[in-house]
Amino acid sequence: EAAVTQSPRNKVTVTGGNVTLSCRQTNSHNYMYWYRQDTGHGLRLIHYSYGAGNLQIGDVPDGYKATRTTQEDFFLLLELASPSQTSLYFCASSDGFNQDTQYFGPGTRLLVL
Amino acid sequence: QQKVQQSPESLSVPEGGMASLNCTSSDRNFQYFWWYRQHSGEGPKALMSIFSDGDKKEGRFTAHLNKASLHVSLHIRDSQPSDSALYFCAARRSSNTNKVVFGTGTRLQVLP
Repeated sequence: EAAVTQSPRNKVTVTGGNVTLSCRQTNSHNYMYWYRQDTGHGLRLIHYSYGAGNLQIGDVPDGYKATRTTQEDFFLLLELASPSQTSLYFCASSDGFNQDTQYFGPGTRLLVL
Repeated sequence: QQKVQQSPESLSVPEGGMASLNCTSSDRNFQYFWWYRQHSGEGPKALMSIFSDGDKKEGRFTAHLNKASLHVSLHIRDSQPSDSALYFCAARRSSNTNKVVFGTGTRLQVLP
């Protein structure tokens, strides 16, 4: 079973604060993804990457930066957090080939006051 | 706008019953489809993929794809309380992109 871990699991910050969410996968997958999950919207793609140093823009990128430092590690950065970024964040990985099932981490719940 | 629509938003079935979930795409370029399941407090987990028209069966789960009508469905027979979860349909356009679009989800409750 593929393994994706996320930290922290819960985070509270204030408006204007800096937040970094971390994700690590030990599956040797090429692709990693950041999603946010909100009621009524399902899962929405923020950013994704196909390897160290690569970054691709997702569907809801505004207010977010991301960096892929190694094949295993993918970070999501909120430099000026806003209450609209209160959400449940998931990281996922996939091998990038045809079957391309995504394996998700346990999620980080972020509250911006 | 949401390009993958799911229905119903929520569904209750008795234990042992059949649950049917639907997904419709507004983008004719979607070629690859998945069903994911998310239990409370966990991340989504893939149930099955379907890439060709017709039925695909895995145990109690059967997916059906009709690309002409842009419709994919998931049928769960002999539903169990452990099947109670949020189900997502996901779609991808072609083999040269790994960007997947998820639907808004259907919440299934299986009543003992």
